[in-house]
Amino acid sequence: AQSVTQPDIHITVSEGASLELRCNYSYGATPYLFWYVQSPGQGLQLLLKYFSGDTLVQGIKGFEAEFKRSQSSFNLRKPSVHWSDAAEYFCAVGAPGGGADGLTFGKGTHLIIQP
Amino acid sequence: EPEVTQTPSHQVTQMGQEVILRCVPISNHLYFYWYRQILGQKVEFLVSFYNNEISEKSEIFDDQFSVERPDGSNFTLKIRSTKLEDSAMYFCASGIDSNQPQHFGDGTRLSIL
Repeated sequence: AQSVTQPDIHITVSEGASLELRCNYSYGATPYLFWYVQSPGQGLQLLLKYFSGDTLVQGIKGFEAEFKRSQSSFNLRKPSVHWSDAAEYFCAVGAPGGGADGLTFGKGTHLIIQP
Repeated sequence: EPEVTQTPSHQVTQMGQEVILRCVPISNHLYFYWYRQILGQKVEFLVSFYNNEISEKSEIFDDQFSVERPDGSNFTLKIRSTKLEDSAMYFCASGIDSNQPQHFGDGTRLSIL
């Protein structure tokens, strides 16, 4: 069965510093990969996705993620965080080729931004 | 930008009662989903719906749950005889096709008393 691991429950970063959120997955093939962000009281907003091709994908709000097949990882990065980036971040996998399968989410990483 | 809308934002229900959560997916989307997130836990897939029928469902989606697309715009999740453990945030999502990411609504917080 597929699974997603986000090893860091909480991460604290100073405003302006760089950020990396880790995500590892277990899947029989290369899945579709996603990062979503959830601000308090709001829904899940898609930051970026990887389906195929270039392993470094760019998303919204200055985020990027790199797919590393050898490590089964899809880590999220941002070179300089802003206070508005404080939120819960979820990594998710979906069946390759799409289909109506639901996504499998990690437990999330809570990002705290220090002034 | 079009978005998925969910109503109500918060629903409080007595244990044993039936509850219907409502969603209006993005208008040209064809795939519809329900997820739930118990407080402090991860988002879990419940069910997907395509072409007016359930496509996939998880182990969580037992006989207590049902989904319906009663008209061309709404997508509902019904929970019969609610239990305390049904308290969670329920998210609706939709996708334009099977190869596009799912767009999520802001969720309905369901509290069972």
